[in-house]
Amino acid sequence: SQQGEEDPQALSIQEGENATMNCSYKTSINNLQWYRQNSGRGLVHLILIRSNEREKHSGRLRVTLDTSKKSSSLLITASRAADTASYFCATVGTGANSKLTFGKGITLSVRP
Amino acid sequence: GAVVSQHPSWVICKSGTSVKIECRSLDFQATTMFWYRQFPKQSLMLMATSNEGSKATYEQGVEKDKFLINHASLTLSTLTVTSAHPEDSSFYICSAYSDTDTQYFGPGTRLTVL
Repeated sequence: SQQGEEDPQALSIQEGENATMNCSYKTSINNLQWYRQNSGRGLVHLILIRSNEREKHSGRLRVTLDTSKKSSSLLITASRAADTASYFCATVGTGANSKLTFGKGITLSVRP
Repeated sequence: GAVVSQHPSWVICKSGTSVKIECRSLDFQATTMFWYRQFPKQSLMLMATSNEGSKATYEQGVEKDKFLINHASLTLSTLTVTSAHPEDSSFYICSAYSDTDTQYFGPGTRLTVL
């Protein structure tokens, strides 16, 4: 079953603008991760945020986590055409296993 | 570092045949690997967890006799789709854990069953 629900499902912006994607989940988590997938390719790990963290940065990426609302956001600043891809949030639960449960994904299009 | 490869990258086969997909961690040892399936424009669905030296753990609804998983070494897991049918056509992706919480994903294998 899918845990995360991202919104919007599709986002189209102009190069240079910021892109904000949101993810909500249902059960308690150990951590939440964001991945990028270019069409027909594997996944690239972007960033991991643990349940006791509220915000993390990595280059042009900023991730926030609100465990009280069971939600996370991914902000990509100064977007580039190369950022065009599908973005997925995925959660790891608090149990012993380390399974990732993926959301449905967001399709980001950055127009040059 | 933390590179995962898959072979083949794409395969076309006839209905009723079996197809083996390999997943290798190239520069780290992975006691746990995961197999996912992704249909077009959909998310990844976990099929099974592959543990080195033991039987795989399958997710609900995944037929273990149809999707055979073998994790014979710390760097190799294989998924065999037995008696493949057109509905098995999909993008199969594996991932492996390094010594952190991060899963590293392979590039995927596109299976087309005619």
